[in-house]
Amino acid sequence: DTGVSQNPRHKITKRGQNVTFRCDPISEHNRLYWYRQTLGQGPEFLTYFQNEAQLEKSRLLSDRFSAERPKGSFSTLEIQRTEQGDSAMYLCASRPDRYGNEKLFFGSGTQLSVL
Amino acid sequence: AQKITQTQPGMFVQEKEAVTLDCTYDTSDPSYGLFWYKQPSSGEMIFLIYQGSYDQQNATEGRYSLNFQKARKSANLVISASQLGDSAMYFCAMRVGGTSYGKLTFGQGTILTVHP
Repeated sequence: DTGVSQNPRHKITKRGQNVTFRCDPISEHNRLYWYRQTLGQGPEFLTYFQNEAQLEKSRLLSDRFSAERPKGSFSTLEIQRTEQGDSAMYLCASRPDRYGNEKLFFGSGTQLSVL
Repeated sequence: AQKITQTQPGMFVQEKEAVTLDCTYDTSDPSYGLFWYKQPSSGEMIFLIYQGSYDQQNATEGRYSLNFQKARKSANLVISASQLGDSAMYFCAMRVGGTSYGKLTFGQGTILTVHP
């Protein structure tokens, strides 16, 4: 069990630039989740995948955000035309698709700073 | 809509003492799950304990126990025999409905500081 891996750990970008984050879940976990956490707040749900299928997207996920999980393994979260309000920690989590098993395994997150 | 409230921005406890972190929730759905996660300064969210809405007994996981009072809609976390490594941010979270596994609503968190 190597845990959930997120890259990069930190990203600094200028307003208007595009950024992409990567998440590698635990290998046998077919459910993958993205959350966003702003300073002093709890995480907020953004979207989740079952294998390669994106099953739900939050209203927080504007048109500038897109997430993919092309082969049902790693996932990417892209933000186009970044805004200062996008500055946050982006957390990825995974879990196995077993009924009754609700424990999420989180990565250490990608801290985005938009200047 | 569902809501989680943590009213304690910060808590202090002496090492080896017990501490209770408060959490209240609001939902009209009879099926829900309640969680506590710990977030150390490294940023990673660590699962601590889970309580289902239909569970008859309070959940326990080692030094962690969840004081589930359904009528009061509270799900307080009790940490017994606090350790210095327990110093972290603690989040209460809720899953509503029977099919939304993994989609959690989090509270604002409580910073716990354990003094030697």
